[in-house]
Amino acid sequence: QPVLTQSSSASASLGSSVKLTCTLSSGHSSYIIAWHQQQPGKAPRYLMKLEGSGSYNKGSGVPDRFSGSSSGADRYLTISNLQSEDEADYYCETWDSNAKWVFGGGTQLTVL
Amino acid sequence: EVQLLESGGGLVQPGGSLRLSCAVSGFTFSSYAMSWVRQAPGKGLEWVSNIRGSGGSTYYTDSVKGRFTISRDNSKNTLYLQMNSLRAEDTAVYHCAKRRTNSNYEPIDYWGQGTLVTVSS
Repeated sequence: QPVLTQSSSASASLGSSVKLTCTLSSGHSSYIIAWHQQQPGKAPRYLMKLEGSGSYNKGSGVPDRFSGSSSGADRYLTISNLQSEDEADYYCETWDSNAKWVFGGGTQLTVL
Repeated sequence: EVQLLESGGGLVQPGGSLRLSCAVSGFTFSSYAMSWVRQAPGKGLEWVSNIRGSGGSTYYTDSVKGRFTISRDNSKNTLYLQMNSLRAEDTAVYHCAKRRTNSNYEPIDYWGQGTLVTVSS
């Protein structure tokens, strides 16, 4: 079963860009993942599905400021022109052929 | 507009039972796989269970297998989670979630607000 590793926290200044990382465990570097955002006190929100090729498919209404990319076992979420409302927890999700789904531990993003 | 509305949470004693419901609207319910995902207070997301559109295939995380049962009534557009033999470590907000397709290999694309389950004596 794959394991997803995320940094526990990140910070960046208002108007700047930040790149969050989700790393797949050994043997699972080709897996597709998804990124979800959870603002304080709210339900999670689907951002995008991201393939190992770097191709991504965003959810309805997700701003153009959000983009995805991949390199080896790493899956990235880049947020450009950071806004105050981007301050949130960000989770990656994946699944395996045994019908098991896993989430990363989440990254808490602070907008300075 | 896709909407997912959970209900049924509350305070229950260890060893007790609870049934969660999730009423959905805005999409053809029977055509999509659905999930339950929980979040313990101050913690991250944990996948709990999944069910395919027809209801014929179900999946569980190991910690709830044999205690929880996921089901759906496609005529009522409602998803359920029957939780038995509840433990303190089951305390969490339980989110209902829709998957992008009926496949086992797609992510969640819509989430409900969640319902809080507290297991305590």
